[in-house]
This record gives sequence, C-alpha cells and structure tokens, in this order.
Amino acid sequence: NAGVTQTPKFRVLKTGQSMTLLCAQDMNHEYMYWYRQDPGMGLRLIHYSVGEGTTAKGEVPDGYNVSRLKKQNFLLGLESAAPSQTSVYFCASTRQGFTEAFFGQGTRLTVV
Amino acid sequence: GNSVTQMEGPVTLSEEAFLTINCTYTATGYPSLFWYVQYPGEGLQLLLKATKADDKGSNKGFEATYRKETTSFHLEKGSVQVSDSAVYFCALSDSGGGADGLTFGKGTHLIIQP
Repeated sequence: NAGVTQTPKFRVLKTGQSMTLLCAQDMNHEYMYWYRQDPGMGLRLIHYSVGEGTTAKGEVPDGYNVSRLKKQNFLLGLESAAPSQTSVYFCASTRQGFTEAFFGQGTRLTVV
Repeated sequence: GNSVTQMEGPVTLSEEAFLTINCTYTATGYPSLFWYVQYPGEGLQLLLKATKADDKGSNKGFEATYRKETTSFHLEKGSVQVSDSAVYFCALSDSGGGADGLTFGKGTHLIIQP
C-alpha cells in the first residue's frame, strides 16, 4: 500500500523555468492538498481539491497552478519559477469527514 | 482567521525527561485538533487527535487534551526517548468535513540527548 506518492523527490530549477510536481494517492480519497514548508513558517496551504475536476486556492496560491483530472492525481505546476519558490512541497490527502490526513514524503525544490 | 501558536524550538531534553510542548489556537466554530510528527527527511505523520472539547488524544506515550476554555492542546509525554527527536506540529481543522485543509503551527524541533 503506497499511500501518497510524490514525484520527483528533488529538483533544481533555474529562474524562469517551469515544472510540474505529481502527487498520486491510492486510498480513493476525495480531498487532496498541496502545502509548502519553509523554515520558521510551518506548513502553508497552496491549493486544494475536494474532488475530481475541482480546485481551490489556499493561503499562498500565487505563482502556482493545479489540476485534478483524475481522482487519484493532483498536479502542482510552476509556470515561471522564482527563487522565492525554493521550498519543500508536501502533498496530502484525506477522505471526506477528515479523520486523518496522509502526507507524501515531500519534494525539495531549489530555484537558482 | 484561524491560527495556531506553538512554542518554537529547538527544545533540548535529556532522555527520560518529561516533555510539554504548548499549543494554543484561534478558530471560528468548533475545530478538530491534531499533533503531527515529522522525522528527519520524511513527511508528516499523525501522532494524535481530538475532535471535541475535553477529548484526550493519545499515542506512543504522548497525550494531549482538548481544552476549549483555554483554547489549548498541549502535547505531553512522561519519559522521552532519543527516538522521539523530531519536529512536532500542532494543527487544526475547523471546516465541516475538513475540505479546506489544516492550519499548522510553525513546528517545534525536539532534540533528545542520551
């Protein structure tokens, strides 16, 4: 049982480049989330989705886009990366009713 | 809006010491409260939770009681081990069904020395 899987685990980008982070969950969860973790800031919600084909903005959505074309996948896109987007990104999922959120292992992104 | 405030570390203790990590919150409605733990290089794992006032969550020797009157959810453990070294996050969810995610505190880095 894989749970929540994020790819890639590490990435270095140059300013202005684009990339997509993939999150996949095999628990048939309705809700999925993207967070970023920065030193001294805890985790902050970027975007989230309550179901296939739906997305919504979180606390820090600027510079990111998301898509949820399939229930099990939630993609986070950076169209033009900036050094301020250097962070560790976590995906999470939970079933409706929210008893426990399951997190991926994280993606460490560095923008130079 | 919602917010979670927890003591920031690092907190350094000797093995077998008593641990308290304070957490207070501000929320509309009646939130559910959580403690998550992050071991080095890993994602977050749920440690314990409480969904209503006076509930006590417990797991692996850790405990926390949902105190509505003081809006607190302090984490305690009677005797810590080196393996408890990690970052601990207090979090809340106040929406019906948890649709719009968790609000996290900034995390407390706990270091246990042998």
